Amino acid sequence: AQSVTQLGSHVSVSEGALVLLRCNYSSSVPPYLFWYVQYPNQGLQLLLKYTTGATLVKGINGFEAEFKKSETSFHLTKPSAHMSDAAEYFCAVSDLLGKTSYDKVIFGPGTSLSVIP
Amino acid sequence: DGGITQSPKYLFRKEGQNVTLSCEQNLNHDAMYWYRQDPGQGLRLIYYSQIVNDFQKGDIAEGYSVSREKKESFPLTVTSAQKNPTAFYLCASSMDYSYNSPLHFGNGTRLTVT
Repeated sequence: AQSVTQLGSHVSVSEGALVLLRCNYSSSVPPYLFWYVQYPNQGLQLLLKYTTGATLVKGINGFEAEFKKSETSFHLTKPSAHMSDAAEYFCAVSDLLGKTSYDKVIFGPGTSLSVIP
Repeated sequence: DGGITQSPKYLFRKEGQNVTLSCEQNLNHDAMYWYRQDPGQGLRLIYYSQIVNDFQKGDIAEGYSVSREKKESFPLTVTSAQKNPTAFYLCASSMDYSYNSPLHFGNGTRLTVT
């Protein structure tokens, strides 16, 4: 079965430092990949997605992610952290081997990002 | 602006009572979903609906029920059969059936059952 792992349930960075949040998936067929962000007591908001084409994907708020098939990874980065980036980040995968496109969207457990002033 | 409205934001109930969470969308999306979020467990799918008058069980449907009588609305009922109903509930929608159609989320309802 498809699974999504996010290394590090909590990540702390200093303001202005590089943000790196890791996501790995397990699938023999490259899936569609998404990153979502969740601010406290709110729903999730799409940051970026990879479907086909260019493996480096740019999203909102200065975030980007690179799909690496050989490493089955889709890590999220931002060159310079801002205080407003403090939130929970979820990696998600659409498993193309699933029965439908609905019940096989799999979310990782999330990484909580703290930004230290 | 289009979006998904969940109400209420906070809900408190006594054990043994059924409770219904509201979800309305004005995005004209075909598909709608209910997720449950618990600390450290990510999101788990409860029910989803591809079109009006049709819905399917997700991974953790026991103790929950839904209806989809209108395209815009997808209410979730948490029944007394749900063993551990206290959680944060998120409603979502997506435009179409394709795998690359991202999910749009509401701001959630936090349910506390005592």
